[in-house]
Amino acid sequence: RKEVEQDPGPFNVPEGATVAFNCTYSNSASQSFFWYRQDCRKEPKLLMSVYSSGNEDGRFTAQLNRASQYISLLIRDSKLSDSATYLCVVNKAAGNKLTFGGGTRVLVKP
Amino acid sequence: GAVVSQHPSWVICKSGTSVKIECRSLDFQATTMFWYRQFPKQSLMLMATSNEGSKATYEQGVEKDKFLINHASLTLSTLTVTSAHPEDSSFYICSASGQLSYEQYFGPGTRLTVT
Repeated sequence: RKEVEQDPGPFNVPEGATVAFNCTYSNSASQSFFWYRQDCRKEPKLLMSVYSSGNEDGRFTAQLNRASQYISLLIRDSKLSDSATYLCVVNKAAGNKLTFGGGTRVLVKP
Repeated sequence: GAVVSQHPSWVICKSGTSVKIECRSLDFQATTMFWYRQFPKQSLMLMATSNEGSKATYEQGVEKDKFLINHASLTLSTLTVTSAHPEDSSFYICSASGQLSYEQYFGPGTRLTVT
């Protein structure tokens, strides 16, 4: 079983719609969680950290469920520019290596 | 956020030659740097972790004699792909983190093509 698993998609989303997807992780000792965004042929860029209480950044909402070991990302009012691959990332400790999920591809269409 | 640069951004080399890729943290001291490789349509795979002044720790399956990593200062790490072959063609990305930070800041990546 992979340490971090994601539905690869693609999720085809009409512009303006809401899309949500999850990521599961296997290591219960994981300490910190992130969503990164990666555009084609570019480096990953941090979208948001995920906190235990859940957090929101504009149109993006992230949730963490430690009991079930999954995190989620919800995008509201999708824009064409939201088309990208979203990487779920887990870290066990400060300065430690990140473990990446395979990514969920989102395609927002007019 | 913090800035990490990589050089070169792309390189084409002949089979059998060596290629050096530099990763620099421009505005912070990176106690740890990470090197990743990403093949088309796949996610990032960690190759090695390097702490300043010490030997790199390689992930299982990554040949340390082929992928030489040097982290001589708190702002610079280098990855040398020795005797490169076409199967080494990939997108190589570095990241850097500070001592107290969970976050990693990624460089823009280096696209290596071995002919």
